[in-house]
Amino acid sequence: DTEVTQTPKHLVMGMTNKKSLKCEQHMGHRAMYWYKQKAKKPPELMFVYSYEKLSINESVPSRFSPECPNSSLLNLHLHALQPEDSALYLCASSQDSPIPGQATYEQYFGPGTRLTVT
Amino acid sequence: GENVEQHPSTLSVQEGDSAVIKCTYSDSASNYFPWYKQELGKRPQLIIDIRSNVGEKKDQRIAVTLNKTAKHFSLHITETQPEDSAVYFCAASSTRLSGTYKYIFGTGTRLKVLA
Repeated sequence: DTEVTQTPKHLVMGMTNKKSLKCEQHMGHRAMYWYKQKAKKPPELMFVYSYEKLSINESVPSRFSPECPNSSLLNLHLHALQPEDSALYLCASSQDSPIPGQATYEQYFGPGTRLTVT
Repeated sequence: GENVEQHPSTLSVQEGDSAVIKCTYSDSASNYFPWYKQELGKRPQLIIDIRSNVGEKKDQRIAVTLNKTAKHFSLHITETQPEDSAVYFCAASSTRLSGTYKYIFGTGTRLKVLA
């Protein structure tokens, strides 16, 4: 299996709802990432998990809560979102975690979840 | 903070012509430079990458060049085809000894190949 999968493909939620986005990979990759991509903009890194531990949080609001139950799964829990959080949420994985001073590995992206907050 | 500038924002070329997209980065610790192609409504897909210890890399019609001194790198597509039409993103990545990790995308170039 050489793919990163994400569910659901589309999600519409109200500002008081709680929902979760899911990401899965079976390539044996040890690092997984969440990105947010607004229309006509580049992806922006939100979270990095390395060996199932959150290693980097890019100052993302607490209404986004990541979870990594095991090395193949990555969740993003959503609560009390705002309309401006509507975007494409992309998951990615890479062979190994970023090592200080060494070049990083290529990231493989999932198809994304298109989130609309009403 | 660190950023990656990408030019042009849009590029139209005739089928069979070459296309060149340029990126400039600010973080001198950057050591990995991937290029992604993203079609409308699809995921970004890696098309080529280059590491800081290499000046040029080629894969069939696609090539990337890196000038570390000037902190810029470029994507070259030769013999363009209509299916090359998409948005192209460059990125620059670094991992400092402190553990700080950056993976910063350029602003994107919308390439249109006219048949």
